Amino acid sequence: SQQGEEDPQALSIQEGENATMNCSYKTSINNLQWYRQNSGRGLVHLILIRSNEREKHSGRLRVTLDTSKKSSSLLITASRAADTASYFCATDAGGSYIPTFGRGTSLIVHP
Amino acid sequence: DAGVIQSPRHEVTEMGQEVTLRCKPISGHNSLFWYRQTMMRGLELLIYFNNNVPIDDSGMPEDRFSAKMPNASFSTLKIQPSEPRDSAVYFCASSLKVEADTQYFGPGTRLTVL
Repeated sequence: SQQGEEDPQALSIQEGENATMNCSYKTSINNLQWYRQNSGRGLVHLILIRSNEREKHSGRLRVTLDTSKKSSSLLITASRAADTASYFCATDAGGSYIPTFGRGTSLIVHP
Repeated sequence: DAGVIQSPRHEVTEMGQEVTLRCKPISGHNSLFWYRQTMMRGLELLIYFNNNVPIDDSGMPEDRFSAKMPNASFSTLKIQPSEPRDSAVYFCASSLKVEADTQYFGPGTRLTVL
């Protein structure tokens, strides 16, 4: 089964709004990563947060990690139509550094 | 840097035929991963290599699937014989090392088995 599961499965917003996606996982992790996949393309790494970190920023992206709740969130501020894509979280179960991907959140940003 | 290169980008074949997917990882990367993506099962790790050696092939669905990495710059994923349920997008990804922070994905090969 998937280690990480994203929520919601789909999200539709207007340009300029913020988009928040969540990821829940089952076992302890070393790292959690977020990737983006544009339609018909491969996945692109966005950001990594380590188990001892609580928050990380990269441009318009903000990732939080709550290890007590086994969850992470990805916030995209001031969204743009170009942010339309699927977003995946990838987690590694404690003893392995190989990430397991969730099913993703499909984000549509309307211009 | 050209990134991870996969060929072909699209493959349509008939059930029972042999299919070979190819991947060229980023130069200098020591780890290579093969994934399969479907709507039903999401993104599944099939096999990964470290320094050209297969480390874990537990994700390979059955004996019809095989993967090789004869050198640091080339890997193949072969399906023989192919079946309609093998239809999916197959991705290759590489990283500096197995425990690297970032995997770099290729554009994928969309396989359709009729």
